[in-house]
Amino acid sequence: AQSVTQPDIHITVSEGASLELRCNYSYGATPYLFWYVQSPGQGLQLLLKYFSGDTLVQGIKGFEAEFKRSQSSFNLRKPSVHWSDAAEYFCAVPRLSSNTGKLIFGQGTTLQVKP
Amino acid sequence: AAGVIQSPRHLIKEKRETATLKCYPIPRHDTVYWYQQGPGQDPQFLISFYEKMQSDKGSIPDRFSAQQFSDYHSELNMSSLELGDSALYFCASSLRGRDRPSERTQYFGPGTRLLVL
Repeated sequence: AQSVTQPDIHITVSEGASLELRCNYSYGATPYLFWYVQSPGQGLQLLLKYFSGDTLVQGIKGFEAEFKRSQSSFNLRKPSVHWSDAAEYFCAVPRLSSNTGKLIFGQGTTLQVKP
Repeated sequence: AAGVIQSPRHLIKEKRETATLKCYPIPRHDTVYWYQQGPGQDPQFLISFYEKMQSDKGSIPDRFSAQQFSDYHSELNMSSLELGDSALYFCASSLRGRDRPSERTQYFGPGTRLLVL
């Protein structure tokens, strides 16, 4: 069955430091992949998505993610974290057996930013 | 740019009461999805609609029903509320177009936070 795993439940980084949030998926074919961010008390905002083509995708707010088929991963990165990046981050894939592309989310990673 | 609108943003109900959540998709989007996010959980798909017809169904309790109207807005009706229904309810919308289902990008609203006492 399709699944998405975010191995890190909670990550703390210092402001200005680099960030990498991990996401692993389970499916044989090339999946479509999304990263969403949820700020406290807010909705889900799309950061970036991968459908095909260049495996390094750029998103909003200075984020990027790299699709690595050999590792079944789609890790989210940012070279320099800002305090406003503190939020919960979700990796998601559409369920391929669905005729609507309903999303399957990972468990989420909570990012804390130290001053 | 216009986003998905959900109302109300917060709702407090007692057990066994009913609640109606509303969702207004991004203009020209024809597909609406509902998700439920319990405390500390990831969002779980409930139900979706395309062109006023139910297109997919997830783990939605029988106590819940939903529909999409001719103006594409959707309502999630929840009856006989239970304490466990306390959650953040998200609506998302997408444009079907010619894309395959997996290629449709879903844009989420801010959510309705439901508290059942």
